[in-house]
Amino acid sequence: QKEVEQNSGPLSVPEGAIASLNCTYSDRGSQSFFWYRQYSGKSPELIMFIYSNGDKEDGRFTAQLNKASQYVSLLIRDSQPSDSATYLCAVGGDKVIFGPGTSLSVIP
Amino acid sequence: DAGVIQSPRHEVTEMGQEVTLRCKPISGHNSLFWYRQTMMRGLELLIYFNNNVPIDDSGMPEDRFSAKMPNASFSTLKIQPSEPRDSAVYFCASSLDPLAGEQFFGPGTRLTVL
Repeated sequence: QKEVEQNSGPLSVPEGAIASLNCTYSDRGSQSFFWYRQYSGKSPELIMFIYSNGDKEDGRFTAQLNKASQYVSLLIRDSQPSDSATYLCAVGGDKVIFGPGTSLSVIP
Repeated sequence: DAGVIQSPRHEVTEMGQEVTLRCKPISGHNSLFWYRQTMMRGLELLIYFNNNVPIDDSGMPEDRFSAKMPNASFSTLKIQPSEPRDSAVYFCASSLDPLAGEQFFGPGTRLTVL
């Protein structure tokens, strides 16, 4: 069974620090990789996507993909209390599979 | 665009009753997804449609669940009869490509079955 795994957390970081969120997947045929952010009581929203090995930066967010290791990560620089949320990794192959999510808490 | 629209936002019903959840996808999106989210099981894909045709319903828990998409702008998820273990938040999402993860989620329906 194809799986997407994440540390459930909670991950706590001080304001201004770098938060590092990790995700591994089992399907080597996966082609697309996504990070969604979900605030408590709200719906998931897409914040980053990456298709090729390497890094992709968007503002304070950097997605990193290593297909050989079947690993994708999300770095959040200069973390803010407003970044406190659950982050869902999603992997696309013959269908999109979501990981269980990592809860991030940014402490002021 | 108003985004994905779901109704009702909250539903409280008694065990054994029929529940119908509704979704209007973003105009122009070809694919529609129904998810269920609980603390224990996370976000689970129940079924998805492409061009109004059900493509993968392997996530539908059992025959009590059914989904339809009669046209490009409307879909329903029905539970009959409902059970307490069906209590969850049900999300509808739409996208331009069924294999892409760039999905846009609706606000969800919080279902409570007593």
